[in-house]
Amino acid sequence: KNEVEQSPQNLTAQEGEFITINCSYSVGISALHWLQQHPGGGIVSLFMLSSGKKKHGRLIATINIQEKHSSLHITASHPRDSAVYICAVSWIGNQFYFGTGTSLTVIP
Amino acid sequence: EAGVTQSPTHLIKTRGQQATLRCSPISGHTSVYWYQQALGLGLQFLLWYDEGEERNRGNFPPRFSGRQFPNYSSELNVNALELEDSALYLCASSMGGNTNYGYTFGSGTRLTVV
Repeated sequence: KNEVEQSPQNLTAQEGEFITINCSYSVGISALHWLQQHPGGGIVSLFMLSSGKKKHGRLIATINIQEKHSSLHITASHPRDSAVYICAVSWIGNQFYFGTGTSLTVIP
Repeated sequence: EAGVTQSPTHLIKTRGQQATLRCSPISGHTSVYWYQQALGLGLQFLLWYDEGEERNRGNFPPRFSGRQFPNYSSELNVNALELEDSALYLCASSMGGNTNYGYTFGSGTRLTVV
């Protein structure tokens, strides 16, 4: 069983659509991270959450600690948002567990 | 400000050889993390170094090792390479061991073992 589960695995959206990616985890965590990986492998850290909600531009991340669940939302999606989005949780000893990623394709 | 830099970008080795991968953290960051992303698998945590010490390691055999230098740069060494070691190896750095301030990834080294 994976400590971090993401859904969906693949997602295709039309430009302008509202997108939600979900992440559930089974371990106690110190923080949850959302990462964006573009083709070629480069990774950008989007958000680090330990509670509540964060917003950066068109991206919104929420976390519910009691339900061990987080969502990443993208409003007004754009083709440049096409990437793999990875949920990761960190806990004691800075051990990280990663979801397998959600591959997002936004079609113009 | 320079980001996390990794070298080389690509590395091709033969089975049984050793590979050395390098990572320079962002200035002011003392922690370096190494991850493996094998084809078809997600990211997996390899090693965490902070202030020159190995603080934690993931579920990898001892032939995966590394070190952190006084300037906080780090090396990842993989001995006795196996075909399944072919992967993208990513390095990240953070300020101290506190990832609550977020952490920054390098662009990775793609290791191919033939």
